[in-house]
Formats: sequence, C-alpha cells, structure tokens
Amino acid sequence: EDQVTQSPEALRLQEGESSSLNCSYTVSGLRGLFWYRQDPGKGPEFLFTLYSAGEEKEKERLKATLTKKESFLHITAPKPEDSATYLCALTNFGNEKLTFGTGTRLTIIP
Amino acid sequence: GAGVSQTPSNKVTEKGKYVELRCDPISGHTALYWYRQSLGQGPEFLIYFQGTGAADDSGLPNDRFFAVRPEGSVSTLKIQRTERGDSAVYLCASSLTSGGYHTQYFGPGTRLTVL
Repeated sequence: EDQVTQSPEALRLQEGESSSLNCSYTVSGLRGLFWYRQDPGKGPEFLFTLYSAGEEKEKERLKATLTKKESFLHITAPKPEDSATYLCALTNFGNEKLTFGTGTRLTIIP
Repeated sequence: GAGVSQTPSNKVTEKGKYVELRCDPISGHTALYWYRQSLGQGPEFLIYFQGTGAADDSGLPNDRFFAVRPEGSVSTLKIQRTERGDSAVYLCASSLTSGGYHTQYFGPGTRLTVL
C-alpha cells in the first residue's frame, strides 16, 4: 500500500530563515508527486507536480525536488504570508486517487 | 475562471439524519473526486467519477455513503443515518481528465458537524 510521511509535523521559522520540508514515500509505481498549500478553513491549493527523480520546479520562494524515495520543498527567505500547512500527495499507476501525507504546519514569525 | 465550488460551506445536523453535499467542478473538467479530511490529517479519498460513472468508490467507508453525478458535471455526496464519526471536512476536487498525471483542483470544502 502506498504511504506518504511528512516531516516535521510543525516548523516555526523567523522571517528570512530558509529551510526544507520533507516528504518520504513508498509506492508501487509513482505517476505523480504533488505539493499543495492549505490555509486554515480552506481547500488545498496546488503548488507543484513532479513526475520523475531529478526533476525540480520553482515558484517564487518555493522549490520542489524529487528523488526515488523522497521529495523536498525548499523555502528560501520566507515571509509571514508563507505560513500554512503544506501537503504532499502522490498518484500511482494503478488508480487515480491522491494519497496524502498529514502535512507540515509552517509558521513564519515576523 | 471560476474554481470548484461546494455548498453548503457548513452543515450541522443531528445523529441519524440524512445530508447532501454538493460540488460544482471547474467547467470542462471531466474527472471529479471526493475526499474527507479530519482535523490534523491529510485528505482521504472517497470516490472518483469519470464523466457520469463512479470509476472508483473504494474509499467510501460503508453503504451509508453514496455519490452521484447524473449529467457529468455537478456531483452530490449523500450520507444516510449520519453518525458523530462522520464529522469532518468534505472536499471535492476536479481535473481536466483522468490519468493520475493531471492536477486535481480542490474546492473550499463543506464542514459537516454531526451532533
């Protein structure tokens, strides 16, 4: 069975302090690895999709990377508005559903 | 354009009652998904439609849960004889088509509280 584990559960950073969030996974055949951002009381908002090991994608202060066992979401010089829960999810070749991790709750302190 | 919309945003009901939750996907999206999210957890898959048919309902917890999409657009999630354990946020997502490569775009969710 597919499994997604995210760490840490929660992370507090000072504004401008760069860090990385981890998503480790086991899957029978990875089709896509997805990162979402979720603000309190709202639905997940799509950030990135990665399809193969070695792939990287960037958007503003965020960069997502993928290996055969894990994905990282790097955040550079974060701002308070980057505070949210970041969710990692995957699809495999056997079905269409997203399998999610439990998320990392990120707080950026001004 | 408009994103995925869900109504109601909040629903409070009593144990044993019947509820319907509605999802309006992004126009032109043929695949539609329902997930359930409990506090502090990631969303968990319930059911997926490609067009009008339920292509995978393996995530529905029991036969009290049922979903339809009669015209291949709007979908309704129906829960009979609600229980307190059904309390959660129910999320709907849509994608351009199926295939697992395509991004699923989520709505804001319906928060269901069963008293």
